[in-house]
Amino acid sequence: DTGVSQDPRHKITKRGQNVTFRCDPISEHNRLYWYRQTLGQGPEFLTYFQNEAQLEKSRLLSDRFSAERPKGSFSTLEIQRTEQGDSAMYLCASSLVILAGGSNTGELFFGEGSRLTVL
Amino acid sequence: AQKVTQAQTEISVVEKEDVTLDCVYETRDTTYYLFWYKQPPSGELVFLIRRNSFDEQNEISGRYSWNFQKSTSSFNFTITASQVVDSAVYFCALSVFSQGGSEKLVFGKGTKLTVNP
Repeated sequence: DTGVSQDPRHKITKRGQNVTFRCDPISEHNRLYWYRQTLGQGPEFLTYFQNEAQLEKSRLLSDRFSAERPKGSFSTLEIQRTEQGDSAMYLCASSLVILAGGSNTGELFFGEGSRLTVL
Repeated sequence: AQKVTQAQTEISVVEKEDVTLDCVYETRDTTYYLFWYKQPPSGELVFLIRRNSFDEQNEISGRYSWNFQKSTSSFNFTITASQVVDSAVYFCALSVFSQGGSEKLVFGKGTKLTVNP
C-alpha cells in the first residue's frame, strides 16, 4: 500500500497521559499536514510541514501539542497531558508541491486517521 | 477570515435519483481555491475536485458535476443517477491562494448523503 498511513488507528487513554501519533506520507511528497476532526464537524487545520520545516501552526495547536518531521519523511504528533476535549480523529495528509513554476493540483492525500478517545 | 457553509446536514435519496449538495463560502481574498472531498465510512477523505477562483466553468466528470458561481459565492455539487456507493459524507473546502494552493483548507461541516436501494 503506497498511500498515507497512520498509526495507531485507535487510541484510548486516560486524562493526563501523553499520546503520540505517527504519519507516513506518500514517499515522494514534500508536504505533510495534520488536521483534527471532531464528531459531526469538518476537519480543522492544525499544522503543516514543507520537508522538515514546520511552516505554520494553527491556534488550535496549544502548547500541549507538538509535531515533528525530523527527516522530512514521517511525522509525529504528540499530545501531552491529554484532556477530554482532545478526543477527536487526527488526520494526516500529504501532497507533492512543485515550487518552481510547476503546476500543482492542490490535491491532498489523506490517511484513514488516528482516533483518540480520552477518558 | 474564510468560512464554508454546508446547510444540508443530511440528505437521503433513493438510488438513481439526482442529488445536489450545496456549498456557500466566504472570503475576502480574490484568489482562492474550492474543493470537494468525499469521506466514506472508512474515514479516509478522498479528493474529488479543485477549482480556482478565476475559473467559473462548470465541470462534469462522469455522474458528478460542479456548478461554481462567484456571484452567489456558491460551489454546488450534483450527483446524477445516484448509487448506493455514493453514500458518504461530502465536504466542501476553501483555501486562499498560495504555492501549492492547499496549505490550510477550511472545511464545511459536511453533508451526509445516504443513497437507499
